[in-house]
Amino acid sequence: ETVLTQSPATLSLSPGERVTLSCRASQNVDTYLAWYQQKPGQPPRLLIYDSSNRAAGIPARFSGSGSGTDFSLTITSLEPEDFAVYYCQQRDNRPFTFGQGTKLEI
Amino acid sequence: EVQLVESGGGLVQPGGSLRLSCVASGFTFDNYWMSWVRQAPGKGLEWVANIRQEGGEKYYVDSVKGRFTISRDNAKNSLDLQMDSLRPEDTAVYYCARRGASPDYWGQGTLVTVSS
Repeated sequence: ETVLTQSPATLSLSPGERVTLSCRASQNVDTYLAWYQQKPGQPPRLLIYDSSNRAAGIPARFSGSGSGTDFSLTITSLEPEDFAVYYCQQRDNRPFTFGQGTKLEI
Repeated sequence: EVQLVESGGGLVQPGGSLRLSCVASGFTFDNYWMSWVRQAPGKGLEWVANIRQEGGEKYYVDSVKGRFTISRDNAKNSLDLQMDSLRPEDTAVYYCARRGASPDYWGQGTLVTVSS
């Protein structure tokens, strides 16, 4: 099973700041990595798929990069609605696994 | 508009069974793999199972193999998850999601609580 490790667990930031979240895979997942955003009481929302492709309707301030075992999600200028939990997920091999999440808080 | 609506959750005793259902609308259901993903209270996400468009291919996370069965009825645009031999650690919100690998649309989820 591919283990995804996200860092840091929690980040305290302010609106307008730039942030980069990290996701490291225990084995090569090529570029088959996605990022999700989840707010309390809501289902996850797909942000990025296959490492760097923005999902439909996702603002350009969200971008993803990486391949192999090291990936990142960057938000160029935080908006108030961006404070949430972010998960990475790999689809290179079964079972498809998620990271433990990074909480972005004000 | 894509919509996924889950139902069937509730309180069940350990060892019991429950059947979850998901009704899809707003897209051509039989064009997509479908998935179930769960989230224990206050915890992260765990992929549970997925099923190919025609239902001939199914995959499960090891912890539910032999206990859970995913199925679909393309004529009714519905996805099911039959859960048997339930354990307390199966307590979670269960989400129905479109696509088998990196789901792009998710339902609001249905809560399953396994407790005596």
